Amino acid sequence: QKEVEQDPGPLSVPEGAIVSLNCTYSNSAFQYFMWYRQYSRKGPELLMYTYSSGNKEDGRFTAQVDKSSKYISLFIRDSQPSDSATYLCAMADSWGKFQFGAGTQVVVTP
Amino acid sequence: EAQVTQNPRYLITVTGKKLTVTCSQNMNHEYMSWYRQDPGLGLRQIYYSMNVEVTDKGDVPEGYKVSRKEKRNFPLILESPSPNQTSLYFCASSLAGGQPQHFGDGTRLSIL
Repeated sequence: QKEVEQDPGPLSVPEGAIVSLNCTYSNSAFQYFMWYRQYSRKGPELLMYTYSSGNKEDGRFTAQVDKSSKYISLFIRDSQPSDSATYLCAMADSWGKFQFGAGTQVVVTP
Repeated sequence: EAQVTQNPRYLITVTGKKLTVTCSQNMNHEYMSWYRQDPGLGLRQIYYSMNVEVTDKGDVPEGYKVSRKEKRNFPLILESPSPNQTSLYFCASSLAGGQPQHFGDGTRLSIL
């Protein structure tokens, strides 16, 4: 069983809709949680970073972490065609070991 | 401009021919890491380094070597490449372990 599970999609939504992404994990040593966006043929770029349970908002993006349930989410409001990309969840422990989800492909249709 | 630079960006080579992929960062980051990305498997960590002369294995270290002699450089070495190492490789760096990472643009390796 993978330490991080993420639905690969694809997830198709109409422009303006809310995109909802999530990951579950099994390793309670994970202390840091991130969401990255990756466009084709490019490296991942950081969207959100948090190290505690709760919500964090940045513009159209909201990240949620529930450590008790080992569940993290990312919500994208007012989605745009430019949000079409692959979204990766990532987690790290205090010693520098990272685990990434397999990535969810999101398609926002005009 | 803050960046992580990988070279080469593309490489086609043959089984058994030693190769090195270089990685350099200009942000004075302590932490550097290598990943491979394969369809359906996401990013898998190969090796990471918390500081100069300190390296640790990630999830898929077999067949790879790394060294960290200077803070800015973290080369990935394939001593005897095999076809199952054909993949897209990313180098990344961050201020410290657990912190958000900056990624390079990737190196696509094909081993025939």
